[in-house]
Amino acid sequence: GAVVSQHPSWVICKSGTSVKIECRSLDFQATTMFWYRQFPKQSLMLMATSNEGSKATYEQGVEKDKFLINHASLTLSTLTVTSAHPEDSSFYICSATGSSSYEQYFGPGTRLTVT
Amino acid sequence: AQSVAQPEDQVNVAEGNPLTVKCTYSVSGNPYLFWYVQYPNRGLQFLLKYITGDNLVKGSYGFEAEFNKSQTSFHLKKPSALVSDSALYFCAVRGSGGGADGLTFGKGTHLIIQP
Repeated sequence: GAVVSQHPSWVICKSGTSVKIECRSLDFQATTMFWYRQFPKQSLMLMATSNEGSKATYEQGVEKDKFLINHASLTLSTLTVTSAHPEDSSFYICSATGSSSYEQYFGPGTRLTVT
Repeated sequence: AQSVAQPEDQVNVAEGNPLTVKCTYSVSGNPYLFWYVQYPNRGLQFLLKYITGDNLVKGSYGFEAEFNKSQTSFHLKKPSALVSDSALYFCAVRGSGGGADGLTFGKGTHLIIQP
């Protein structure tokens, strides 16, 4: 149980375009979902926290107009990178918590490359 | 603000020997502590967590970790290393405040098990 999926697993896009990444909890209802970013050979940095039906809370330094988060249901959150630039190239990982907020279940990640 | 320190970028251990990956933390209040493992181009796999109770926590794949409040440490250990344990290991913390909070990760430690 407690499986989180992400789609796509990798994506290449051109500079200036937008890319949407989906995060789904497959076998549980995710009251809260988190989006992290990981640069090569670096740690995960929390970008934002989203609760179903409400606006996401962004960490300091993360542009909310650039990284649009929608948590429309208890099983789906999306991250849209708008007007992507090469510096947005990174590994984006989502996680979700269920009824127990102690544990986060992580998705497999999405590799974004902006050319 | 909470933080996690993993002082070693890399740990080398011979197969069959015991291994330790170090982690210290700083957080307000009681900590919730986690260890995750990441294989190349993959998401995070949960190993174990400390929420409350016994200081020695047993997790997946034979790993265990000891919570030491006075030293603010949560070192990961395994009695006998396997080559397949070679991966990137992250320690993470969140505070015990109400609600679901994002995790703060250490920078990661590369564990290399030599045959």
